[in-house]
Amino acid sequence: GAVVSQHPSWVICKSGTSVKIECRSLDFQATTMFWYRQFPKQSLMLMATSNEGSKATYEQGVEKDKFLINHASLTLSTLTVTSAHPEDSSFYICSARGGSDTNTEAFFGQGTRLTVV
Amino acid sequence: QQQVKQSPQSLIVQKGGISIINCAYENTAFDYFPWYQQFPGKGPALLIAIRPDVSEKKEGRFTISFNKSAKQFSLHIMDSQPGDSATYFCAAVNTGGFKTIFGAGTRLFVKA
Repeated sequence: GAVVSQHPSWVICKSGTSVKIECRSLDFQATTMFWYRQFPKQSLMLMATSNEGSKATYEQGVEKDKFLINHASLTLSTLTVTSAHPEDSSFYICSARGGSDTNTEAFFGQGTRLTVV
Repeated sequence: QQQVKQSPQSLIVQKGGISIINCAYENTAFDYFPWYQQFPGKGPALLIAIRPDVSEKKEGRFTISFNKSAKQFSLHIMDSQPGDSATYFCAAVNTGGFKTIFGAGTRLFVKA
């Protein structure tokens, strides 16, 4: 299957600072990327959907000014957690899908563990 | 609103046994149903998927059964192995919007 790479795999930051997480599709062009958040022993909750070159669409309850998403190219999307606080500590996962109408499969990155201290 | 309901929450199976996980959905706009396997600290990996025009799909030890009229689908893992111990998520996709909605997850433990 296609490969989606996230970086970093884990990050620890101080409260009040910002953290950027990268999501790259390595062997296909990702017209749509998705960002999820997963708390321990819970399911994946969709945060936002981003299409290359346009603004991200955020799910209800997700603060768009806090979780900045940029999808500047067909292979890269970034999630920036601004002014991070301990409650933002979580496992963040991206997924990406290509542009074919018949291709509904989304490939997931390995996730980024964020710890805010 | 829980659009995809998954059960059981956890499951313990003896090695060689059959693991069965069930899911139900409400939105008839969903038209693609993948199952994902997730190990601790890793992202989910696609296991097997089915479309609603098919009632069953088998890949190796993994089988999806799909009941369109009941809006239910299930994953069967035959000859379960300790290496299958992981969290399994069913999901539903509306290919018009491409969002993947996940079930709550089932933590499977296969006893050696």
